[in-house]
Amino acid sequence: NAGVIQTPRHKVTGKGQEATLWCEPISGHSAVFWYRQTIVQGLEFLTYFRNQAPIDDSGMPKERFSAQMPNQSHSTLKIQSTQPQDSAVYLCASSFWASSYEQYFGPGTRLTVL
Amino acid sequence: GDSVTQTEGQVTVSESKSLIINCTYSATSIGYPNLFWYVRYPGEGLQLLLKVITAGQKGSSRGFEATYNKEATSFHLQKASVQESDSAVYYCALTSGGNYKPTFGKGTSLVVHP
Repeated sequence: NAGVIQTPRHKVTGKGQEATLWCEPISGHSAVFWYRQTIVQGLEFLTYFRNQAPIDDSGMPKERFSAQMPNQSHSTLKIQSTQPQDSAVYLCASSFWASSYEQYFGPGTRLTVL
Repeated sequence: GDSVTQTEGQVTVSESKSLIINCTYSATSIGYPNLFWYVRYPGEGLQLLLKVITAGQKGSSRGFEATYNKEATSFHLQKASVQESDSAVYYCALTSGGNYKPTFGKGTSLVVHP
């Protein structure tokens, strides 16, 4: 079991460019979560999916952020027109579908917007 | 909504001394929440340290302990004798009722001096 896989590990974009981040959850896990981690804000929830269906995207900045899960083996987080304040580590996590189960986190993608 | 408040910022402790990182919570869903401590060691991903899903019970891992106190709504993390290798960022978190989205505290950075 390779754990949650996130690619790329590091991404540098120019202001206004698009960034797409990828996540491969652990096989058999039905829930996938996306978070943003910064020193100032800590761990911020963005969105999550159950069995590929979006459940809660209340943490997503509406205008430029979008997330999809086209199949059970991967999810993407897309940021359009990136801004310097989008610079952060983006974490993906997966778990079984039960609130008593812990989440398994990927190593994260460090996004730097110049 | 749910909330988690933990010791903020950085905690510095000398090796072999005792440690407590405070965590208190507020959960709005019916029933008692599930409580977690996650840890991020330098250069590693966020991972579960311990969890307790039954009020009144104690969880333990790697010498750390946390007791689920439903009266005080607390889940403090303790260790009797810390080691330099315990230096990491610790997050308290909860899930409650039918809410599968975890609520995280802002994280506590532990620095253990030799």
